Amino acid sequence: KAGVTQTPRYLIKTRGQQVTLSCSPISGHRSVSWYQQTPGQGLQFLFEYFSETQRNKGNFPGRFSGRQFSNSRSEMNVSTLELGDSALYLCASRDQGATEAFFGQGTRLTVV
Amino acid sequence: KNQVEQSPQSLIILEGKNCTLQCNYTVSPFSNLRWYKQDTGRGPVSLTIMTFSENTKSNGRYTATLDADTKQSSLHITASQLSDSASYICVVTYGGATNKLIFGTGTLLAVQP
Repeated sequence: KAGVTQTPRYLIKTRGQQVTLSCSPISGHRSVSWYQQTPGQGLQFLFEYFSETQRNKGNFPGRFSGRQFSNSRSEMNVSTLELGDSALYLCASRDQGATEAFFGQGTRLTVV
Repeated sequence: KNQVEQSPQSLIILEGKNCTLQCNYTVSPFSNLRWYKQDTGRGPVSLTIMTFSENTKSNGRYTATLDADTKQSSLHITASQLSDSASYICVVTYGGATNKLIFGTGTLLAVQP
């Protein structure tokens, strides 16, 4: 089984731009979660999708949004980028009812 | 408030030495606790899972303990190797059927030759 795939791996954007990150979960996994990781802050939960519906949401501004498609692939969008949005964005998928999250390699976003 | 706290924030040890990482949690209801290892530039990978009834579990040189009464867990690494250099993250599952995850901020371990 292929693991969780995130694209792109690296991204450089300018302040004010918007960005879309993609995540393909493990085949059969319907839960996809997104996390922001910055040095010293650890993993901050953004949101979780299950069967195309947002199930949980973290404490991030509305500039951060996401969606999930019928094939469970998920995208995360950040609008009006700020320098502080520079981080590693991780996606994780879980099987229904399971507690182990399988992570992708992440997308390293740098805002300049 | 549901939260997970880890200590120390960072740790430097010499190759071959042992170390212990701590995780304290306050969640309800508790389901299980996992330790993840995150190598630099990669996503976290699960090392071990501890359920309410388990006190200790080993995975090679890694031994996790859980005290459900005091809501504390530890991860002990024996005879450390350079490849153990990573961030170790404690993740608690709670919320019953909702299976919510809450992450600690991690302990950054550096093993030096």
